[in-house]
Amino acid sequence: NIVLTQSPATLSVTPGESVSLSCRASQSISTSIHWYQQKSNESPRLLIKYASQSVSGITSRFSGSGSGTDFTLSINRVESEDFSIYYCQQSYSSLYTFGAGTKLELK
Amino acid sequence: EVKLLESGGGLVQPGGSMRLSCAASGFTFTDFYMNWIRQPAGKAPEWLGFIRNKANGYTTEYNPSVKGRFTISRDNTQNMLYLQMNTLRGEDTATYYCARRALGAVFDYWGQGVMVTVSS
Repeated sequence: NIVLTQSPATLSVTPGESVSLSCRASQSISTSIHWYQQKSNESPRLLIKYASQSVSGITSRFSGSGSGTDFTLSINRVESEDFSIYYCQQSYSSLYTFGAGTKLELK
Repeated sequence: EVKLLESGGGLVQPGGSMRLSCAASGFTFTDFYMNWIRQPAGKAPEWLGFIRNKANGYTTEYNPSVKGRFTISRDNTQNMLYLQMNTLRGEDTATYYCARRALGAVFDYWGQGVMVTVSS
């Protein structure tokens, strides 16, 4: 199984700050990584696909980068609605897996 | 508008069975792979399996963690997706989501989820 390790587990920020969330794969997965946002008591929502491709309807404050084993989700100028849990997911292997998540919280 | 609506969850005893349903609307159901994903409270999602689209013969694939106990099926005349769960265990307690897989194994739409609790 491809293991995805997300860091940090929790990130405390002030609105207006820009942040980077990390996802590291246990083996090279090219750019087969996708990012989801999950707000409390809601289902996950796709933010970024294939490492850096934008998703229709998602604000441009979210962007992604990386390839191989190291990936980053960047949030420009965090807003109050961004405080959520963020998961990465890989589709390189036919056994799709998710990372454990990074919780973005208000400092 | 794409909509996915799960139903059928609740409390079941260990060793029991349960069938979840997912009603799909707003898109051509037969064009898409459909998935089940679960998420225990406070934990990450876990992909359970999918059923392929018409072009790929509606065949199924499963996560080894549930293979042999869980079965995914679909009724394309009713735009319904199903998850039959047998020999349930406490560790199957979770919120279960159906999700549409877009081209390339990205889950672009998710249902609101349904809770399954396995307990005596």
